[in-house]
Amino acid sequence: EAGVAQSPRYKIIEKRQSVAFWCNPISGHATLYWYQQILGQGPKLLIQFQNNGVVDDSQLPKDRFSAERLKGVDSTLKIQPAKLEDSAVYLCASSSQGYTGELFFGEGSRLTVL
Amino acid sequence: GQQVMQIPQYQHVQEGEDFTTYCNSSTTLSNIQWYKQRPGGHPVFLIQLVKSGEVKKQKRLTFQFGEAKKNSSLHITATQTTDVGTYFCAGPLYNFNKFYFGSGTKLNVKP
Repeated sequence: EAGVAQSPRYKIIEKRQSVAFWCNPISGHATLYWYQQILGQGPKLLIQFQNNGVVDDSQLPKDRFSAERLKGVDSTLKIQPAKLEDSAVYLCASSSQGYTGELFFGEGSRLTVL
Repeated sequence: GQQVMQIPQYQHVQEGEDFTTYCNSSTTLSNIQWYKQRPGGHPVFLIQLVKSGEVKKQKRLTFQFGEAKKNSSLHITATQTTDVGTYFCAGPLYNFNKFYFGSGTKLNVKP
C-alpha cells in the first residue's frame, strides 16, 4: 500500500514570495490534515478536511495561508506572501477513521524563508 | 494555546536505564495516541488508548491512559539507542473535533 506522498521535499524562498505544497493521501482515506512543525516543537494543526469539506481551520492564518481538497483526494496548501516565521516542515497526514483513527504522515515539505 | 502538554521536554539516559514521559490535557480526550518521530523523520504511530485506565504493552513500552482521560504516560524499560527520538502524545479533544499533538519529549540514549 502506498503511503502519503508530499512534494516538494524542500523549498527555499524569499520572504513575500509564494509557495505551494501538494499532498496525496493514502487511497480511501477520507480525512486529511495539514500540520506545521517548527523545529523543536510538536505538530500544529493548520487545517483538517473530511472528504472535500473543511472540518477545522481555526489555526490557519487565513490572511496568507489557503488550502483546498477539491475532489476529496489530493490537497494543496499555499502560502502567499511568505514570512520568515513560516519556516517549518509542513506535514500532511491522512486517516481512514476521522479523528479517532491512526494518522499516517508523509515525509513532509521543509520550507525555508529567507 | 497549547492544550496538551508533555513533560519532561528533554531526557538524557544511559542505555539500559528506564524512561517515562507524561502527557496532560486541559480537557477530556476521547482517545489518546502516541507517536515517535526519529531525528529528521516524520511522526510514526505507536499505539492508541481508548478506555479510561487502559494499559497496553508493546515489548519494552508500556502505555497508560488516566482514569479521567486527561493524562497518559509512556514508559520504556531498559532503553536502547534505537529508542532515540521525540515521543508525542496526541488526541482529539472531547467535543472539539481537533486533533492536538503534545509538545513532545525528546529522548537521547547514550551507549
